[in-house]
Amino acid sequence: GAGVSQTPSNKVTEKGKYVELRCDPISGHTALYWYRQSLGQGPEFLIYFQGTGAADDSGLPNDRFFAVRPEGSVSTLKIQRTERGDSAVYLCASSLSGYLSPLHFGNGTRLTVT
Amino acid sequence: AQKVTQAQTEISVVEKEDVTLDCVYETRDTTYYLFWYKQPPSGELVFLIRRNSFDEQNEISGRYSWNFQKSTSSFNFTITASQVVDSAVYFCALSEDSYSGAGSYQLTFGKGTKLSVIP
Repeated sequence: GAGVSQTPSNKVTEKGKYVELRCDPISGHTALYWYRQSLGQGPEFLIYFQGTGAADDSGLPNDRFFAVRPEGSVSTLKIQRTERGDSAVYLCASSLSGYLSPLHFGNGTRLTVT
Repeated sequence: AQKVTQAQTEISVVEKEDVTLDCVYETRDTTYYLFWYKQPPSGELVFLIRRNSFDEQNEISGRYSWNFQKSTSSFNFTITASQVVDSAVYFCALSEDSYSGAGSYQLTFGKGTKLSVIP
């Protein structure tokens, strides 16, 4: 079946602009995660959704970052007033239930802030 | 605080050689989970294995094997008879039960080891 889909695959934006990154999880997966991967680093946790609610947003770096999952399926990561330090690959993952279920990752969105 | 260290940044081996990727972790929890993921050039992280802290039995899956030793806080990954398709970045990750208990599945990743298998 289809895996986790992320769009766009690449996004270039100017400093100060607003961006939205989209994630389509695997159908039926209730848990959804956002991670951020900087060059040469491992992924870093941003936020976790169980259904429609953000169960753990402790990884969001500041209030410029926000994510929603209004219908418990597709999720959007929103970044306001982008900074050059936000440049990274943003990875989305989903799992069947969250607890003890393996995470299935998408290919990521490469965000470049110029 | 939890931490995962993958000391090997890059490894190159010739095809058919065996190779071991090291992973050392730190956690204060008694219950935790360890993982290995593979990230090929396409960028998608591929789940390889999950091991809980109460199960120190080593595991073998085809050419892959994992050695979990709580005494040294290590969870090493060995690829036997490496192939070119094994070339990728491999990540070791840790999830503490304190997060799992809250329903979150927050993984802490190491920085990864880039494996190049030369034909």
